[in-house]
Amino acid sequence: QPQLLESGPGLVKPSETLSLTCTVSGGSINSETHYWGWIRQPPGKGLEWIGSIFYTGDTYYNPSLKSRVTIAVDTSKAQFSLKVSSVTAADTAVYYCARVGVLVNCFDPWGQGTLVTVSS
Amino acid sequence: SYVLTQPPSVSVAPGQTARISCERDNIGSKSVHWYQQKPGQAPVLVVYDDKNRPSGIPDRFSGSNSGDAATLTISRVEVGDEADFYCHVWETTSVQGIFGGGTKLTVL
Repeated sequence: QPQLLESGPGLVKPSETLSLTCTVSGGSINSETHYWGWIRQPPGKGLEWIGSIFYTGDTYYNPSLKSRVTIAVDTSKAQFSLKVSSVTAADTAVYYCARVGVLVNCFDPWGQGTLVTVSS
Repeated sequence: SYVLTQPPSVSVAPGQTARISCERDNIGSKSVHWYQQKPGQAPVLVVYDDKNRPSGIPDRFSGSNSGDAATLTISRVEVGDEADFYCHVWETTSVQGIFGGGTKLTVL
Protein backbone atom coordinates (compact mmCIF):
# COMPACT_ATOMS: atom_id res chain seq x y z
CA GLN A 1 0.00 0.00 0.00
CA PRO A 2 1.35 3.44 -0.82
CA GLN A 3 1.41 6.18 1.77
CA LEU A 4 -0.20 9.56 1.10
CA LEU A 5 0.59 12.80 2.91
CA GLU A 6 -1.23 16.10 2.56
CA SER A 7 0.59 19.39 2.95
CA GLY A 8 -0.27 23.07 2.68
CA PRO A 9 -1.31 26.15 4.65
CA GLY A 10 -3.64 25.59 7.56
CA LEU A 11 -5.15 29.07 7.35
CA VAL A 12 -6.55 30.80 4.28
CA LYS A 13 -8.26 34.19 4.07
CA PRO A 14 -11.79 34.51 2.67
CA SER A 15 -11.92 35.07 -1.11
CA GLU A 16 -8.39 33.68 -1.55
CA THR A 17 -7.32 30.35 -3.03
CA LEU A 18 -6.77 27.22 -0.96
CA SER A 19 -3.83 25.13 -2.21
CA LEU A 20 -2.89 21.66 -1.01
CA THR A 21 -0.48 18.97 -2.21
CA CYS A 22 -0.62 15.22 -1.71
CA THR A 23 2.67 13.33 -1.90
CA VAL A 24 2.55 9.63 -2.77
CA SER A 25 5.31 7.33 -1.49
CA GLY A 26 5.79 3.58 -1.55
CA GLY A 27 3.90 3.19 -4.79
CA SER A 28 3.71 4.60 -8.30
CA ILE A 29 1.49 7.55 -9.09
CA ASN A 30 1.75 6.44 -12.75
CA SER A 31 -0.74 3.68 -12.17
CA GLU A 32 -3.06 2.34 -14.86
CA THR A 33 -5.29 0.84 -12.17
CA HIS A 34 -5.84 3.79 -9.85
CA TYR A 35 -7.00 7.37 -9.73
CA TRP A 36 -6.08 9.85 -7.02
CA GLY A 37 -8.74 11.79 -5.18
CA TRP A 38 -9.54 14.58 -2.74
CA ILE A 39 -12.25 14.37 -0.08
CA ARG A 40 -13.11 16.91 2.61
CA GLN A 41 -14.92 16.87 5.94
CA PRO A 42 -16.18 20.05 7.64
CA PRO A 43 -15.83 19.96 11.44
CA GLY A 44 -18.45 17.67 12.94
CA LYS A 45 -19.92 16.81 9.55
CA GLY A 46 -19.74 14.07 6.93
CA LEU A 47 -17.48 13.32 3.99
CA GLU A 48 -17.69 15.12 0.65
CA TRP A 49 -15.93 13.97 -2.51
CA ILE A 50 -14.18 16.89 -4.23
CA GLY A 51 -12.68 15.30 -7.31
CA SER A 52 -10.32 12.72 -8.77
CA ILE A 53 -7.45 12.67 -11.27
CA PHE A 54 -5.70 10.01 -13.38
CA TYR A 55 -1.94 10.18 -13.92
CA THR A 56 -2.63 11.28 -17.51
CA GLY A 57 -4.34 14.41 -16.17
CA ASP A 58 -7.93 13.29 -16.77
CA THR A 59 -10.10 14.78 -14.04
CA TYR A 60 -13.56 14.36 -12.53
CA TYR A 61 -15.07 16.99 -10.23
CA ASN A 62 -17.99 17.24 -7.85
CA PRO A 63 -20.54 19.29 -9.82
CA SER A 64 -21.26 21.43 -6.76
CA LEU A 65 -17.62 22.52 -6.55
CA LYS A 66 -16.51 22.26 -10.17
CA SER A 67 -16.48 26.01 -10.87
CA ARG A 68 -13.97 26.64 -8.06
CA VAL A 69 -11.82 23.49 -8.03
CA THR A 70 -8.71 22.49 -9.97
CA ILE A 71 -6.88 19.20 -9.46
CA ALA A 72 -3.53 18.60 -11.14
CA VAL A 73 -0.85 15.91 -11.12
CA ASP A 74 2.94 16.14 -11.22
CA THR A 75 4.21 12.63 -11.91
CA SER A 76 7.86 13.71 -11.70
CA LYS A 77 7.33 14.59 -8.06
CA ALA A 78 4.79 11.83 -7.31
CA GLN A 79 2.36 14.53 -6.24
CA PHE A 80 -1.13 15.69 -7.04
CA SER A 81 -2.63 18.97 -5.96
CA LEU A 82 -5.89 20.71 -5.12
CA LYS A 83 -6.84 24.34 -5.58
CA VAL A 84 -10.13 25.81 -4.39
CA SER A 85 -10.70 29.42 -5.35
CA SER A 86 -12.83 32.13 -3.75
CA VAL A 87 -13.01 30.30 -0.43
CA THR A 88 -15.48 31.10 2.33
CA ALA A 89 -15.94 29.84 5.87
CA ALA A 90 -17.96 26.97 4.39
CA ASP A 91 -14.73 25.60 2.90
CA THR A 92 -13.24 25.11 6.38
CA ALA A 93 -12.65 21.38 6.64
CA VAL A 94 -10.20 18.54 7.04
CA TYR A 95 -8.98 17.75 3.54
CA TYR A 96 -7.96 14.18 2.73
CA CYS A 97 -6.23 12.73 -0.28
CA ALA A 98 -6.74 9.07 -1.18
CA ARG A 99 -6.12 6.48 -3.86
CA VAL A 100 -9.14 5.33 -5.88
CA GLY A 101 -9.38 2.12 -7.87
CA VAL A 102 -10.35 2.26 -11.53
CA LEU A 103 -12.28 -1.00 -11.43
CA VAL A 104 -12.98 -1.15 -7.70
CA ASN A 105 -13.70 2.53 -7.10
CA CYS A 106 -13.22 2.70 -3.34
CA PHE A 107 -10.87 5.07 -1.52
CA ASP A 108 -7.95 3.14 -0.06
CA PRO A 109 -5.63 4.14 1.46
CA TRP A 110 -6.24 7.67 2.79
CA GLY A 111 -3.83 10.32 3.90
CA GLN A 112 -3.95 11.49 7.50
CA GLY A 113 -5.81 14.65 6.53
CA THR A 114 -5.02 18.30 7.04
CA LEU A 115 -7.25 20.96 8.59
CA VAL A 116 -7.72 24.10 6.56
CA THR A 117 -9.45 27.02 8.26
CA VAL A 118 -10.85 29.92 6.26
CA SER A 119 -10.71 33.03 8.39
CA SER A 120 -9.49 36.59 8.21
CA SER B 1 -29.28 14.42 -7.12
CA TYR B 2 -27.97 11.07 -5.89
CA VAL B 3 -28.49 10.81 -2.10
CA LEU B 4 -27.51 7.92 0.16
CA THR B 5 -29.51 7.77 3.39
CA GLN B 6 -28.00 6.39 6.58
CA PRO B 7 -29.45 6.40 10.12
CA PRO B 8 -27.68 9.06 12.20
CA SER B 9 -26.98 6.64 15.01
CA VAL B 10 -27.02 2.97 15.95
CA SER B 11 -26.52 1.64 19.48
CA VAL B 12 -25.65 -1.91 20.45
CA ALA B 13 -24.36 -3.77 23.49
CA PRO B 14 -20.97 -5.46 23.40
CA GLY B 15 -21.13 -8.91 21.88
CA GLN B 16 -24.30 -8.15 19.94
CA THR B 17 -24.74 -7.51 16.22
CA ALA B 18 -24.90 -4.02 14.71
CA ARG B 19 -26.51 -3.37 11.34
CA ILE B 20 -26.06 -0.07 9.52
CA SER B 21 -28.14 0.63 6.44
CA CYS B 22 -27.47 2.76 3.38
CA GLU B 23 -30.58 3.40 1.34
CA ARG B 24 -31.31 4.68 -2.13
CA ASP B 25 -33.61 3.55 -4.92
CA ASN B 26 -32.06 0.53 -6.67
CA ILE B 27 -28.77 0.80 -4.79
CA GLY B 28 -28.50 -2.95 -5.38
CA SER B 29 -27.37 -2.15 -8.92
CA LYS B 30 -24.33 -0.24 -7.58
CA SER B 31 -21.14 -1.29 -5.84
CA VAL B 32 -21.17 -0.01 -2.26
CA HIS B 33 -18.11 0.60 -0.12
CA TRP B 34 -17.99 1.18 3.65
CA TYR B 35 -15.54 3.18 5.76
CA GLN B 36 -14.95 3.33 9.51
CA GLN B 37 -13.77 6.62 10.99
CA LYS B 38 -12.67 6.83 14.60
CA PRO B 39 -12.41 10.26 16.29
CA GLY B 40 -9.49 12.31 15.04
CA GLN B 41 -8.50 9.72 12.45
CA ALA B 42 -8.83 9.30 8.70
CA PRO B 43 -11.49 6.93 7.39
CA VAL B 44 -10.48 3.31 6.84
CA LEU B 45 -12.01 1.03 4.22
CA VAL B 46 -13.74 -1.94 5.90
CA VAL B 47 -15.88 -3.36 3.07
CA TYR B 48 -15.63 -2.86 -0.70
CA ASP B 49 -17.82 -3.94 -3.59
CA ASP B 50 -20.75 -4.69 -1.30
CA LYS B 51 -19.29 -7.60 0.65
CA ASN B 52 -15.50 -7.89 0.34
CA ARG B 53 -13.09 -7.21 3.19
CA PRO B 54 -9.64 -5.67 2.70
CA SER B 55 -6.78 -7.56 4.27
CA GLY B 56 -6.50 -6.88 7.98
CA ILE B 57 -10.22 -6.23 8.51
CA PRO B 58 -11.77 -8.74 10.93
CA ASP B 59 -14.34 -11.15 9.57
CA ARG B 60 -16.79 -9.67 12.09
CA PHE B 61 -17.36 -6.99 9.42
CA SER B 62 -19.55 -8.03 6.51
CA GLY B 63 -21.71 -6.37 3.90
CA SER B 64 -24.70 -7.02 1.70
CA ASN B 65 -26.53 -5.09 -0.99
CA SER B 66 -29.89 -5.76 -2.58
CA GLY B 67 -32.85 -3.78 -3.80
CA ASP B 68 -33.00 -0.35 -2.20
CA ALA B 69 -30.62 -0.95 0.72
CA ALA B 70 -27.04 -1.91 1.42
CA THR B 71 -26.14 -3.08 4.91
CA LEU B 72 -22.94 -3.18 6.91
CA THR B 73 -23.11 -5.85 9.61
CA ILE B 74 -20.73 -5.95 12.54
CA SER B 75 -20.93 -9.17 14.54
CA ARG B 76 -19.74 -9.66 18.12
CA VAL B 77 -19.39 -5.90 18.52
CA GLU B 78 -16.51 -4.66 20.65
CA VAL B 79 -16.07 -1.35 22.45
CA GLY B 80 -13.24 -0.59 20.05
CA ASP B 81 -15.67 -0.67 17.12
CA GLU B 82 -17.22 2.64 18.21
CA ALA B 83 -16.87 5.01 15.28
CA ASP B 84 -18.64 6.80 12.46
CA PHE B 85 -19.41 4.65 9.44
CA TYR B 86 -19.94 5.95 5.90
CA CYS B 87 -21.24 4.22 2.80
CA HIS B 88 -19.92 5.29 -0.59
CA VAL B 89 -20.99 4.77 -4.19
CA TRP B 90 -19.52 5.91 -7.50
CA GLU B 91 -22.37 7.35 -9.57
CA THR B 92 -21.51 6.56 -13.18
CA THR B 93 -24.27 8.65 -14.75
CA SER B 94 -23.01 11.96 -13.38
CA VAL B 95 -19.47 10.63 -12.82
CA GLN B 96 -19.12 11.54 -9.17
CA GLY B 97 -18.42 9.98 -5.82
CA ILE B 98 -21.27 10.01 -3.32
CA PHE B 99 -21.04 9.46 0.44
CA GLY B 100 -23.85 8.70 2.82
CA GLY B 101 -24.37 11.10 5.69
CA GLY B 102 -22.68 8.78 8.16
CA THR B 103 -23.84 6.67 11.12
CA LYS B 104 -22.43 6.95 14.62
CA LEU B 105 -22.08 3.52 16.18
CA THR B 106 -22.28 3.58 19.98
CA VAL B 107 -21.36 0.51 21.98
CA LEU B 108 -23.34 0.68 25.21
